[in-house]
Amino acid sequence: DIQMTQSPSSLSASVGDRVTITCRASQNISTFLNWYQQKAGKAPKLLIYAASKSQNGVPSRFSGSGSGTDFTLTVSTLQPEDFATYCCQQSYTTPFTFGPGTTVDFK
Amino acid sequence: QVSLKESGPVLVTPTETLTLTCSVSGLSLSNARTGVSWIRQAPGKALEWIGHIFSNDEKSYSTSLKTRLTISKDTSKSQVVLIMTNMDPVDTATYYCARTQIYCSGRSCQNWFDPWGQGTLVTVSS
Repeated sequence: DIQMTQSPSSLSASVGDRVTITCRASQNISTFLNWYQQKAGKAPKLLIYAASKSQNGVPSRFSGSGSGTDFTLTVSTLQPEDFATYCCQQSYTTPFTFGPGTTVDFK
Repeated sequence: QVSLKESGPVLVTPTETLTLTCSVSGLSLSNARTGVSWIRQAPGKALEWIGHIFSNDEKSYSTSLKTRLTISKDTSKSQVVLIMTNMDPVDTATYYCARTQIYCSGRSCQNWFDPWGQGTLVTVSS
């Protein structure tokens, strides 16, 4: 199975900050990488698919980049509603696997 | 608008078999570029993909769970069913179903989960 790791596991930030989260795959997955946002007690929500394509309706402050084994999710200007957990997921091959998540909380 | 909703027991006894149903609306399960996945999340833990089924009845399962799993669909009822045998307390989790979207370019196909159901918490305890 492909292992996914994320860093950091958590971070504290303020409204207006630029936030970057990294996801790493245990092998080359090309651009088969998706990002989700999950708020407490809620189902995950798709933000980015195919590493860099924004899902319809997702604010433009969210962007994804990377290919191969290293990927990045960036929130350009953090908004109050962005405090949540973010996780990556590879779809290169089954079994699909998720990263452990990165929690963004208030500084 | 596509929506999914999970239903099933909230409490299961160890060794019992779990049956969960995902009811899908706004989407036909015969759509060629659509599947439904099951994903779970133990309390405070990461998301774990369980398996999926596509319109052509192609299925795939988690490596660690596959001996215990069956996923099936009833296209006429717009439902996908997850059966997991020999439940254990470590299987306590919120179980989600999600549409699996597919985009193929050449021989390469991307998959992603959107939207998700609200999830259903299943507790395994005697």
